[in-house]
Amino acid sequence: AQTVTQSQPEMSVQEAETVTLSCTYDTSESDYYLFWYKQPPSRQMILVIRQEAYKQQNATENRFSVNFQKAAKSFSLKISDSQLGDAAMYFCAFTSNNAGNMLTFGGGTRLMVKP
Amino acid sequence: EADIYQTPRYLVIGTGKKITLECSQTMGHDKMYWYQQDPGMELHLIHYSYGVNSTEKGDLSSESTVSRIRTEHFPLTLESARPSHTSQYLCASSHTGASGNTIYFGEGSWLTVV
Repeated sequence: AQTVTQSQPEMSVQEAETVTLSCTYDTSESDYYLFWYKQPPSRQMILVIRQEAYKQQNATENRFSVNFQKAAKSFSLKISDSQLGDAAMYFCAFTSNNAGNMLTFGGGTRLMVKP
Repeated sequence: EADIYQTPRYLVIGTGKKITLECSQTMGHDKMYWYQQDPGMELHLIHYSYGVNSTEKGDLSSESTVSRIRTEHFPLTLESARPSHTSQYLCASSHTGASGNTIYFGEGSWLTVV
């Protein structure tokens, strides 16, 4: 069984600064996918960034990038130039073909952005 | 954003009432899911479907039931609601082998049972 751990229940960042959210996972599979989802208060869960395990290059989406360390089973999210709209719950998630594409979620990190 | 829709978005009902939460997606995805999430907490899978006439229970035991008669539709039903069912219910979908197995979520249905 897979597990996903987010060790930071809450984080805060000053507007325009950079913040890194941590995520570790445990799996015996070699082919899998990792995701970061953002859930603003009372709003839809949306995909922030996706990483295929077979790709060595870290995924990047505008101000969002990941540091994927496969050997260490670590998948952190870096948000650069933080904006007030980045304030939300962030969930790290894992899936694989063997898991039937079902997501295993971490417990979430609440990100607060200070003006 | 993905084309997956949930109704109602917010609902307050009395104990013992029957309720169906609707979920539809227009992307032709074969897989659909229901997650339950208490405010600020992690998500728990309660039901999933790999296609028409396929339904399975998830990791978290739930008294709700689901059906998948059409590809695009995956309703969740509570026959007799109780206060312990108060939660947010998130519907999601994905397509086998597409978009890196990305799962897309609806906006959620907030259910309060009084």
